[in-house]
Amino acid sequence: RKEVEQDPGPFNVPEGATVAFNCTYSNSASQSFFWYRQDCRKEPKLLMSVYSSGNEDGRFTAQLNRASQYISLLIRDSKLSDSATYLCVVSPRSGGSYIPTFGRGTSLIVHP
Amino acid sequence: EAQVTQNPRYLITVTGKKLTVTCSQNMNHEYMSWYRQDPGLGLRQIYYSMNVEVTDKGDVPEGYKVSRKEKRNFPLILESPSPNQTSLYFCASSPGQVTYEQYFGPGTRLTVT
Repeated sequence: RKEVEQDPGPFNVPEGATVAFNCTYSNSASQSFFWYRQDCRKEPKLLMSVYSSGNEDGRFTAQLNRASQYISLLIRDSKLSDSATYLCVVSPRSGGSYIPTFGRGTSLIVHP
Repeated sequence: EAQVTQNPRYLITVTGKKLTVTCSQNMNHEYMSWYRQDPGLGLRQIYYSMNVEVTDKGDVPEGYKVSRKEKRNFPLILESPSPNQTSLYFCASSPGQVTYEQYFGPGTRLTVT
């Protein structure tokens, strides 16, 4: 099992749709979880940190399920500008490690 | 403006010609790292540094060197580049260790012929 797994997509949705991505991780000792957004061949940028209690930022909601070892990202009322690749990040990889693990990303295409 | 800068942004070179990609951050971050990104493989960490004079290997360190003589700079050195090092490289910094979010530079697209 890969350490961090994401469905690569693409998820092709119309404007205004609600879309959700999941990301599963294998290391139960992971402490920190993030969602990054990456536009085509540009640098990843932090979208949200994912807290145990879940968190919401406008149209974006992130949740953590430690029991099932996955994090999720929900995007409501999708905009054309939401088209991007969404990377989940889990840190650390294993106890005592200082290496974060990136998923390979989920591609989202929002069309008119 | 808080940022991570990389230079050069684009580089085409030949096999065996030593090169250095610079990385600098102005946020006084302790943690810095280098990644390469290849289609279908995602971001893979090459090296990281938790502080000045402290560096360690990531997932794919072979063929690369780094140094951290100053807190703000973390250059990536390819002593003898090979075509399999053609990739998109990102430098990143973080205010703490691995549990904090990372801030990425704009990337360096390297082609080795």
